[in-house]
Amino acid sequence: DAKTTQPPSMDCAEGRAANLPCNHSTISGNEYVYWYRQIHSQGPQYIIHGLKNNETNEMASLIITEDRKSSTLILPHATLRDTAVYYCIVGGLSGGSNYKLTFGKGTLLTVNP
Amino acid sequence: NAGVMQNPRHLVRRRGQEARLRCSPMKGHSHVYWYRQLPEEGLKFMVYLQKENIIDESGMPKERFSAEFPKEGPSILRIQQVVRGDSAAYFCASSLPRGRSTDTQYFGPGTRLTVL
Repeated sequence: DAKTTQPPSMDCAEGRAANLPCNHSTISGNEYVYWYRQIHSQGPQYIIHGLKNNETNEMASLIITEDRKSSTLILPHATLRDTAVYYCIVGGLSGGSNYKLTFGKGTLLTVNP
Repeated sequence: NAGVMQNPRHLVRRRGQEARLRCSPMKGHSHVYWYRQLPEEGLKFMVYLQKENIIDESGMPKERFSAEFPKEGPSILRIQQVVRGDSAAYFCASSLPRGRSTDTQYFGPGTRLTVL
């Protein structure tokens, strides 16, 4: 079972920021938060991950709350090509069995022109 | 920098035949993972392999399914005597060895298996 909760769908206007929330209230201390997306029928695409601190890369920013019970993925300037299902996943590095990525239902983000 | 490669991209088999799915990990990656996505469902973990070792096959069906990752060549997911319920998208992911600075899993484009 997925250890995260995400809204089933969201809409965003092209050019605007898309803010995708995720709740992971049972996250443990050594678990990271990963975000992937799956554009229709393609393989999941890695976006970003973080542990405690906020992270930014060329694709997105990840904001993790201080208590680590929730996070937000930010796509700063959404384009039509960002329309996809976005998955928030908690998992660990360095041992344990947290390599099993558990994909829930994710959030279908639709970017509208 | 080639990503994870999978072939074939589409595979059609009749019931009772065998299906062989191949996965070549990213350069420098020695860990491979297989996931299955049934229609309208999320990806489900099947198996985790290192070169010549199966680390965790807890997600594999008990019968007909097997996986290997030989010293040389791609990882193979083999399904014997396929049934219609095996129709799905099968994704392979690869990562650096666990314990490195990052062992993020990167996914291939998948193989879509259709059983007639």
